[in-house]
Amino acid sequence: DTAVSQTPKYLVTQMGNDKSIKCEQNLGHDTMYWYKQDSKKFLKIMFSYNNKELIINETVPNRFSPKSPDKAHLNLHINSLELGDSAVYFCASSQVSGGDTEAFFGQGTRLTVV
Amino acid sequence: SQQGEEDPQALSIQEGENATMNCSYKTSINNLQWYRQNSGRGLVHLILIRSNEREKHSGRLRVTLDTSKKSSSLLITASRAADTASYFCAPGGGSEKLVFGKGMKLTVNP
Repeated sequence: DTAVSQTPKYLVTQMGNDKSIKCEQNLGHDTMYWYKQDSKKFLKIMFSYNNKELIINETVPNRFSPKSPDKAHLNLHINSLELGDSAVYFCASSQVSGGDTEAFFGQGTRLTVV
Repeated sequence: SQQGEEDPQALSIQEGENATMNCSYKTSINNLQWYRQNSGRGLVHLILIRSNEREKHSGRLRVTLDTSKKSSSLLITASRAADTASYFCAPGGGSEKLVFGKGMKLTVNP
């Protein structure tokens, strides 16, 4: 069983479109994250949710809207996609928020905006 | 949480050699974690060392922590081609963020 799963793995779309990436974890963790990894491999935190509540929003354009229907799911919806949104997006989860416990990562979603 | 800085940014060694990578951080921490990322994959947790620990081992991995110097090192002994990956440190200061540095790219040549 995959602990943290994201779909889709690859996403190619045109500028201006709206797309969603889904994430599910079956670890019973309370905290979930979205990270963006750019072409230089810098991994930047975007959002963090704890028990379905948003606890971190890191200066992300409001075209990005996370949604957590329950604590096992954290989806990322992106409106009006731009070329600069091209990156690999990672979902992760941990038992508690912050850096005190191990985080588990999904395999990533490679988003290409053309 | 704060971002750690890995050093060197890239390292290329031969199979069987040891690889050492360092992580520096700025403020006090509760713990520090190391992760590995293989090409095209998500990060995988390697080891967590708490601020009251000085050294920790896991298989071929040895992590040290020097809180007085605000630095940690990850040693991989007897490296293998499969160790080729990027390695990230994440200092944990008790905040709600898990923040990573820019990573260090290790290449192990067969």
